[in-house]
Amino acid sequence: AQKVTQAQTEISVVEKEDVTLDCVYETRDTTYYLFWYKQPPSGELVFLIRRNSFDEQNEISGRYSWNFQKSTSSFNFTITASQVVDSAVYFCALSSGQNFVFGPGTRLSVLP
Amino acid sequence: EAQVTQNPRYLITVTGKKLTVTCSQNMNHEYMSWYRQDPGLGLRQIYYSMNVEVTDKGDVPEGYKVSRKEKRNFPLILESPSPNQTSLYFCASSLWTSPDTQYFGPGTRLTVL
Repeated sequence: AQKVTQAQTEISVVEKEDVTLDCVYETRDTTYYLFWYKQPPSGELVFLIRRNSFDEQNEISGRYSWNFQKSTSSFNFTITASQVVDSAVYFCALSSGQNFVFGPGTRLSVLP
Repeated sequence: EAQVTQNPRYLITVTGKKLTVTCSQNMNHEYMSWYRQDPGLGLRQIYYSMNVEVTDKGDVPEGYKVSRKEKRNFPLILESPSPNQTSLYFCASSLWTSPDTQYFGPGTRLTVL
């Protein structure tokens, strides 16, 4: 069975701090995809990144970066120099077939 | 504008009164899916569809029905809603049936009294 764990239920940081959101996944499949989505207070779900299991290169997009490590089954997300607009719930998700499994989410609050 | 739309956005109903939440996408996507979001549980997949007339159960299908008669539409049907189906529902679509990036609708907040 597939499973995604986001152990951090809530995180609070002060603006300009760096913050890392953890994601640990379980799957028996050798081919799979990992995702991060953002859900701001307005409620919509915004796609951030997709990574396949054969690509372990870290990715950076502006203040966002992702660290994928197959050895530890982790796909962590770091926000550098956080801003108030980063306050949201962040979901990690896993898919290796036709269905998707989401983690429970981490609520990030960035305080001014 | 490429989008996934859901209607209604908010719905309050009573136990046992059949309801339908519509979902439509204008991107010619093959794959469509329904999720429910509950506090502490994240999003859980209810049903998905890989193409017209092809649907399959997700992780929490009990109490729900779906249909895919047209590529663009994927309605979610609650034949006899119960209070434990009070939740936030999201429809999503993606271009391909393989694990492709899903794009989500705005959500429907359902309350069953």
